[in-house]
Amino acid sequence: AQSVTQPDIHITVSEGASLELRCNYSYGATPYLFWYVQSPGQGLQLLLKYFSGDTLVQGIKGFEAEFKRSQSSFNLRKPSVHWSDAAEYFCAVGGQGAQKLVFGQGTRLTINP
Amino acid sequence: DAGITQSPRHKVTETGTPVTLRCHQTENHRYMYWYRQDPGHGLRLIHYSYGVKDTDKGEVSDGYSVSRSKTEDFLLTLESATSSQTSVYFCAISQTGERTEAFFGQGTRLTVV
Repeated sequence: AQSVTQPDIHITVSEGASLELRCNYSYGATPYLFWYVQSPGQGLQLLLKYFSGDTLVQGIKGFEAEFKRSQSSFNLRKPSVHWSDAAEYFCAVGGQGAQKLVFGQGTRLTINP
Repeated sequence: DAGITQSPRHKVTETGTPVTLRCHQTENHRYMYWYRQDPGHGLRLIHYSYGVKDTDKGEVSDGYSVSRSKTEDFLLTLESATSSQTSVYFCAISQTGERTEAFFGQGTRLTVV
């Protein structure tokens, strides 16, 4: 069975600062990994995804994530955050043989001006 | 944006009444999902479908049933609504269930009083 842990429930950073959101996953076969963002009152939008190949993947809005198999991690990063990045971020895992995505609990990001 | 429509968008209902939420897609995707979102729990899978009349349970399926009689429609029924089912419900669709991302609807806010 798949599972995802996002250790940080809430993170606050200053505008212009760098950001890293943590994600740890568990899956017995090859994982497929995703990061989604949810603005208040909205549905979820895909930021980026990893299936195979280069372990550093680029996404929309200047985000990137790095897959580390040895650490079972898929952390999301951004070099310089903007006030518009304030939202909730979800990591999700699917995989070979899986028919569904399992989501983490989410990390709420607050940006200080 | 993926063509996913959830209806209704908001609903208030009384304890003990049946409630049906509808998800309609225009993308002809094979997989459809119902998730619920609650603070501190992220998104949890209720039920999903991998084809017409083919459905399976997710991690929080008790008290819910689903039906899919057409590719484009996936119905979620709360057989006898309880206050613990007050939540935001999201429908999602996916082409393959594995290597493609899930696209989400805008959500239905359900309040059971």
